[in-house]
Amino acid sequence: GQSLEQPSEVTAVEGAIVQINCTYQTSGFYGLSWYQQHDGGAPTFLSYNGLDGLEETGRFSSFLSRSDSYGYLLLQELQMKDSASYFCAVKRGNFNKFYFGSGTKLNVKP
Amino acid sequence: NAGVTQTPKFRILKIGQSMTLQCAQDMNHNYMYWYRQDPGMGLKLIYYSVGAGITDKGEVPNGYNVSRSTTEDFPLRLELAAPSQTSVYFCASSTPDGEKLFFGSGTQLSVL
Repeated sequence: GQSLEQPSEVTAVEGAIVQINCTYQTSGFYGLSWYQQHDGGAPTFLSYNGLDGLEETGRFSSFLSRSDSYGYLLLQELQMKDSASYFCAVKRGNFNKFYFGSGTKLNVKP
Repeated sequence: NAGVTQTPKFRILKIGQSMTLQCAQDMNHNYMYWYRQDPGMGLKLIYYSVGAGITDKGEVPNGYNVSRSTTEDFPLRLELAAPSQTSVYFCASSTPDGEKLFFGSGTQLSVL
């Protein structure tokens, strides 16, 4: 099996920087993904880390440390539209199976 | 491109009824998935498929069945619906490198 842990809720102000952590325990680990989901919507892809290190895409960055079974999503210059739930997901095995954490609800305040 | 299309968007079932959730993708992806998401929770993998004719169970397969006769379509069958199957169901497909999932808009199912 697998387990993923991430904080249930985070609050930050507009313009700030916030980091959402994810620790995982799994066999057959291939990579860590992050998805954003607005209320009532479908998850949308943000980033994927297959190797250790930092991946940057605009205001969002994601980091992975395979030796620590740990990753994080960094959101900079927070905007009100960033208020959403953020899910980390591990990719297991060579059949592209993804298993999701329970999500972190980010509240961005003015 | 339409991406991943799910139908219906909403459905109410009575206990014991059966139904099929439809999913189609037009990106020629071999990998497809069904997830369920209970309120305030993450997504649980029900079934996945690595290509036409090949399917396998995920974390929570009980009460569901799938088939994959074509690359495009991956329907999910609920037999003998139970209140515990009340959830939002998402279909997804992934890029060949397996790094990115594309999700459909979801089906909100209530079993009463």
